[in-house]
Amino acid sequence: AQTVTQSQPEMSVQEAETVTLSCTYDTSENNYYLFWYKQPPSRQMILVIRQEAYKQQNATENRFSVNFQKAAKSFSLKISDSQLGDTAMYFCAFMKANDMRFGAGTRLTVKP
Amino acid sequence: NAGVMQNPRHLVRRRGQEARLRCSPMKGHSHVYWYRQLPEEGLKFMVYLQKENIIDESGMPKERFSAEFPKEGPSILRIQQVVRGDSAAYFCASSPVDSQQFFGPGTRLTVL
Repeated sequence: AQTVTQSQPEMSVQEAETVTLSCTYDTSENNYYLFWYKQPPSRQMILVIRQEAYKQQNATENRFSVNFQKAAKSFSLKISDSQLGDTAMYFCAFMKANDMRFGAGTRLTVKP
Repeated sequence: NAGVMQNPRHLVRRRGQEARLRCSPMKGHSHVYWYRQLPEEGLKFMVYLQKENIIDESGMPKERFSAEFPKEGPSILRIQQVVRGDSAAYFCASSPVDSQQFFGPGTRLTVL
């Protein structure tokens, strides 16, 4: 079974600075998807970024980018120019076919 | 195109009562997933359904929990004889075939 590990329960960053959230996963599959979701206090699950495992190029969405290391089974999220609105729980997720598994989350606080 | 809709958003039940949670997938999506999120934890997969079929219920407790996705109408997650440990946020997601899942806003169940 696939497992997803987020080793940082909590992190903080100063506004306008950069922060990196870690995620590792365990799978024997070769083709799969990886996601980062943001969950603000409203509890809505908001997709931040997705990565297809067959693509070597790291995904980027505005201030959000990933460092995907397939051999190491690592999928970290970098947030540049952090904003107060980035304060939220962040979940890493692995998906193969229709089976999606989530990490336990990292609580990120952006400080003014 | 409206997103995934869940109702109610908040549900309060006393121990021993039944809870019914509804999920209307996005238009054109034939796959529905239910997840449970306990406080300070990530989302845990419960069940995956297609129209009139349960595809994977490996994450669903064997007793008191059931799910359906009828030909017409929303998907229903039903919890009979609720206990305090059932208090959680329940999220529904939908997707087209083997693709990204889109999440609803969740239903927060509180069992008194």
